[in-house]
Amino acid sequence: SAVISQKPSRDICQRGTSLTIQCQVDSQVTMMFWYRQQPGQSLTLIATANQGSEATYESGFVIDKFPISRPNLTFSTLTVSNMSPEDSSIYLCSVVFDSFNEKLFFGSGTQLSVL
Amino acid sequence: AQTVTQSQPEMSVQEAETVTLSCTYDTSENNYYLFWYKQPPSRQMILVIRQEAYKQQNATENRFSVNFQKAAKSFSLKISDSQLGDTAMYFCAFKLTNTGNQFYFGTGTSLTVIP
Repeated sequence: SAVISQKPSRDICQRGTSLTIQCQVDSQVTMMFWYRQQPGQSLTLIATANQGSEATYESGFVIDKFPISRPNLTFSTLTVSNMSPEDSSIYLCSVVFDSFNEKLFFGSGTQLSVL
Repeated sequence: AQTVTQSQPEMSVQEAETVTLSCTYDTSENNYYLFWYKQPPSRQMILVIRQEAYKQQNATENRFSVNFQKAAKSFSLKISDSQLGDTAMYFCAFKLTNTGNQFYFGTGTSLTVIP
């Protein structure tokens, strides 16, 4: 099965700084997504990373706060900008390999703590 | 709107016993997928099992099986012969077929397998 590598696995950041999270898949994927999992809560979709164009953001998430890139079919980045303690969460990269299969697979997540 | 409800925040089971995790969902659509995901302490979200709504037969994967009741909009997960490695958060999820990218997740059930 394909490998979804996400890094960093964890980080502790200062308020006001930015962190870029990388997601690398070892095979081409149809869809790439970024989810947030706040402490003790479920998963919330931040955006769909579109290859070669601007990401599609869900309600409550904006590009200035969470800029996303997807330069090719196997790689994406999520930046958490101007961080505050409320951004402390697990951030998860996820992919769909086959649009007919519609199974969602996840990277190992990034545990972010903002002081 | 689609919603997923998991009414059991925490559960425990004795090793080798059987446990059932509950999930209900709400949708006005007829074609969709249902999933159970497992998230152990490592944070890695792992797909446990998937059910297509148009299939009457309940999905099974080794020790994991579901009881899908479409009319009742119920999708429970049964874990047989529980093992210590089954200790994890379990999330129920829903996705409309071929419509958008949104996977809807429940709030999760924390399962502890007791030796």
